[in-house]
Formats: sequence, C-alpha cells, structure tokens
Amino acid sequence: QVQLVQSGAELKKPGASVKVSCQASGYNFISFGVSWVRQAPGQGPEWMGWISAYNGNTKYAQKFQGRVTMTTDASTSTAYMELRSLTPDDTAVYYCARDLYYDSRLGYFEYWGQGTPVTVSS
Amino acid sequence: QSVLTQSPSTSGTPGQRVTISCSGSRSNIGSNAVNWYQQLPGMAPKVLIFSNNQRPSGVPDRFSGSKSDTSASLVISGLQPEDEADYFCAVWDDSLSGVWVFGGGTKLTVL
Repeated sequence: QVQLVQSGAELKKPGASVKVSCQASGYNFISFGVSWVRQAPGQGPEWMGWISAYNGNTKYAQKFQGRVTMTTDASTSTAYMELRSLTPDDTAVYYCARDLYYDSRLGYFEYWGQGTPVTVSS
Repeated sequence: QSVLTQSPSTSGTPGQRVTISCSGSRSNIGSNAVNWYQQLPGMAPKVLIFSNNQRPSGVPDRFSGSKSDTSASLVISGLQPEDEADYFCAVWDDSLSGVWVFGGGTKLTVL
C-alpha cells in the first residue's frame, strides 16, 4: 500500500531553517511528483509547491519563492522540503502529498503524509 | 483570507442531505477542475472528489460534487455520524504564476 512517512516535529527559533523529509513506499517513486502543503492552526491548507520525482522539476508558490527548496532522492524514495528565514507565521503542520510527475495543475492529492508540526518561537 | 469562499460551518441530522458550497473566480473554479477534501481532527486531509465530480475508489457514493461557472458544491446524502469533519475545496488558480488554492473549510456537525 502507498505510504508517505514524514519526519518528526520541529521547534525552531525565528530566522532558522527547517528541513522536512517524506519517505515514500508502495509505489514507483520516480513515476510521480510530490507537493508540499502546510496548514496553520485553525486555517485551511496552503500549497507551497511541487517537485517532480521523475526529473526534479519544481514549481513553487510565488509566496515562498526564494525561501523554499524542494528536492528528492530517488535512491531512498524520499522528498525533502527546506524552508528558510522562519518567522512565527510559519508555525504550521507541514504535509507532503503524492502528485503527478509532469504537472501538478492536472492532478489531485490522493495520498498524504501524516504531517510534521513545525513551531517557530523564540 | 482564502481565495475560495466557504461557509465556516453547517450541520445536519443523520440521514439528511447537506450541501457545502465553494465560491471562486474565473481564474480558478472558472478555469480548472475542483477537488474536495475531508479532514478529521488531527488527521491529514483525504480526497473525496476530484475533477469536479469523480470519486476515488473507496469513497461512498453518498458524496457527490458539481461545478457551475465559478462555484462548486459538495453534496453529502444520507448523512452519517462519521461524516462530522472539516471539508475543503481546492482548485488550481491560473493567477500568481499558478498555485493550488484551498477554501477556508466548512466544519460539518452531525447533530
């Protein structure tokens, strides 16, 4: 069965960076992409961007351009999301979700990781 | 404030039919397919409807979706206690160089 297992909770200080991992199993990793979605407490989800595990192409939401980097490691079927220059507004649960490998616009998020809580506080 | 507008809450009794609405604009719902997600407390979202009205395997046919112009709806027929959850609409928005946008969510309470 398809599973996405994310790394554990993080506590960061303002200005720091966080890197969240998402290890996939149960499917051919490079045949799909990964989107990253975050959800602040009491808020709706917010899409951060997408990476193709097939060729490494990325598309980031304009809001996060310059502050986020998404990568994959096909040898371990793992996707990574690094967010820099953290502020308290970045406090949220961060999810990875399986996506299409060629164009996120045409797909939907069928499988999700369990979520990684990230708290930014001094 | 979300790009897609949903009512914050709704409720119904077991067996009733409930409609959850999602209002957008030409650059999102007016141009692209809508997906709906259900989120139980403390859990990741789960897709209920994709491409406006398609159900993934395993999703009961009590859930149905539709789209018209710049609005979309999720209908739950034969409401059950386990349907109590948050529901989000999501659609690709062609503005801002392209981005997935989500509604603020509708909290469904089964009375």
